[in-house]
Amino acid sequence: AQSVAQPEDQVNVAEGNPLTVKCTYSVSGNPYLFWYVQYPNRGLQFLLKYITGDNLVKGSYGFEAEFNKSQTSFHLKKPSALVSDSALYFCAVRPSMNYGGSQGNLIFGKGTKLSVKP
Amino acid sequence: SAVISQKPSRDICQRGTSLTIQCQVDSQVTMMFWYRQQPGQSLTLIATANQGSEATYESGFVIDKFPISRPNLTFSTLTVSNMSPEDSSIYLCSVEVRAGVDLSNEQFFGPGTRLTVL
Repeated sequence: AQSVAQPEDQVNVAEGNPLTVKCTYSVSGNPYLFWYVQYPNRGLQFLLKYITGDNLVKGSYGFEAEFNKSQTSFHLKKPSALVSDSALYFCAVRPSMNYGGSQGNLIFGKGTKLSVKP
Repeated sequence: SAVISQKPSRDICQRGTSLTIQCQVDSQVTMMFWYRQQPGQSLTLIATANQGSEATYESGFVIDKFPISRPNLTFSTLTVSNMSPEDSSIYLCSVEVRAGVDLSNEQFFGPGTRLTVL
């Protein structure tokens, strides 16, 4: 079965320190990979995606993510965390082709709560 | 990116009643989707809203419980019928501009409708 794992329910970081939110996946073929952020009482906002090419992709608000095909991972990173980055982060994957009748639907991880303290 | 609005933003409903949620996009989009986000959990796809035809439902969701309309390329509704407390969730509309079989585009999400069923 195709799945996305975010192994950490919560990540705590001090402001100014680097942050990493982990994501691994199990999807047939070459997937497209996405990160979304959800602020309290808000919908999801798109941060960045990996389609092909350079394994390091840059997105909104200074975030970046590194695609590692051998480890089937797509970890979200930021060099210096801000208190305003505190939110719920979702990793999502989608098969690049319709494998096994998946219909190309987005598969979401369970989310990781990021807490950045001053 | 698309600007998506949902109405109502929140509601408290009695068991056995029905609620219709509206999703309006500021531009024509190929795909519209409805998701459910139960408290503390990830997003689950309910269905794909198809313009001019019946929605495509995911496993575990049926038309009688979650009837969906999509009369044009900018508007869709989701009805939660005969509600029970287990239907208490955030319901999210999302949209995607998709060209043919290209699955590389991101989805954009509305702000969500927070439903509480008593």
